[in-house]
Amino acid sequence: GENVEQHPSTLSVQEGDSAVIKCTYSDSASNYFPWYKQELGKGPQLIIDIRSNVGEKKDQRIAVTLNKTAKHFSLHITETQPEDSAVYFCAATIYNQGGKLIFGQGTELSVKP
Amino acid sequence: GAVVSQHPSRVICKSGTSVKIECRSLDFQATTMFWYRQFPKQSLMLMATSNEGSKATYEQGVEKDKFLINHASLTLSTLTVTSAHPEDSSFYICSATSMGSSYNEQFFGPGTRLTVL
Repeated sequence: GENVEQHPSTLSVQEGDSAVIKCTYSDSASNYFPWYKQELGKGPQLIIDIRSNVGEKKDQRIAVTLNKTAKHFSLHITETQPEDSAVYFCAATIYNQGGKLIFGQGTELSVKP
Repeated sequence: GAVVSQHPSRVICKSGTSVKIECRSLDFQATTMFWYRQFPKQSLMLMATSNEGSKATYEQGVEKDKFLINHASLTLSTLTVTSAHPEDSSFYICSATSMGSSYNEQFFGPGTRLTVL
């Protein structure tokens, strides 16, 4: 079955710097890759997603890239702000197979003012 | 749009009692709802997948008689933790996929913190 590895587990950056979180997946049939932000004591919130028919997607300060050949996808946050501090999870799923998401282990991002 | 609610947000119960958690899709019809549990500083662990009107599909290692799931309508799923014990204390999160979604986008609820004394 699908396996998703996420790195790093913790990431500390200075406000204004960029942050990059990387994930790899094992099943080449996976075709939908969402990223979630989870604040303490809350449920995950979808922040951006990418589908297998594109290589990059951007939404203001957040971007996601996908390399299907290498089975890598990454989250890029530019101009980080203290409110970006949270745990970020990547996930992968295969369309038409029940929609079951396979999550990475999570990255705790800390943005220091 | 695509809002999922959970109730209660927090519950404390005595060992041996049962606790019911509700998950509702507020502004869309959910073909499928998922239940996860999350321990501190860990990832989300899928417990079961439920489709409206049919029995839930449980992940390996999850006791279906302990974690009862009912999905009676397209907007409501419930998780009942029966005979709860301290080791069941966790953060329970539901999610739902919209009937109109082509890529199974999941929208998550805010979670329920269960503490069993």
